[in-house]
Amino acid sequence: DSGVTQTPKHLITATGQRVTLRCSPRSGDLSVYWYQQSLDQGLQFLIQYYNGEERAKGNILERFSAQQFPDLHSELNLSSLELGDSALYFCASSPRRTSGLGELFFGEGSRLTVL
Amino acid sequence: AQKITQTQPGMFVQEKEAVTLDCTYDTSDPSYGLFWYKQPSSGEMIFLIYQGSYDQQNATEGRYSLNFQKARKSANLVISASQLGDSAMYFCAMREGLSNTGNQFYFGTGTSLTVIP
Repeated sequence: DSGVTQTPKHLITATGQRVTLRCSPRSGDLSVYWYQQSLDQGLQFLIQYYNGEERAKGNILERFSAQQFPDLHSELNLSSLELGDSALYFCASSPRRTSGLGELFFGEGSRLTVL
Repeated sequence: AQKITQTQPGMFVQEKEAVTLDCTYDTSDPSYGLFWYKQPSSGEMIFLIYQGSYDQQNATEGRYSLNFQKARKSANLVISASQLGDSAMYFCAMREGLSNTGNQFYFGTGTSLTVIP
């Protein structure tokens, strides 16, 4: 158990709909990262937050948005869903580097299926 | 340019043999960290091993070792005595910088390893 919690684990929805994926980082971790992994693909970086502030943006579509709340949990909102949005969405958190290696701890992922 | 390059989409290894998964990286930052993650078919991402840019010795964690060649910018993962449970996708990643306020991580495209009985 990495300590990163993602909900829901599985989600099936229809095209055009909107979903929200939730992530609770490990206790004490201030950084949250979101990644998208389509079938048989690598990890596509979406967005990164540190202590509530956006730090870096990757290939995140305009239909997607995210935020990190004061309690450090994060939500990824996906709207106007398309078939191609079907993927495994990972949240990861990272401790301050001085706390250790600074590696990413991944949640189990939220598997989104758009029909 | 790609920050992390994994040139082997798929690899096969006989059980109990050793296998090397290649990874090269590109950065001009003198401070960085290199990571390997394993993703079995169940989907979770498992951290395997870490190498810091200032580390003098190659990292080892059980059957995993990282062959760090700084001048060549390579960080190959060596798995010794392969087991059937090692069959998975393996990702090389780099964290650039030493910032404590959130660093960027870059991932390679992964190598699918199949261990043959």
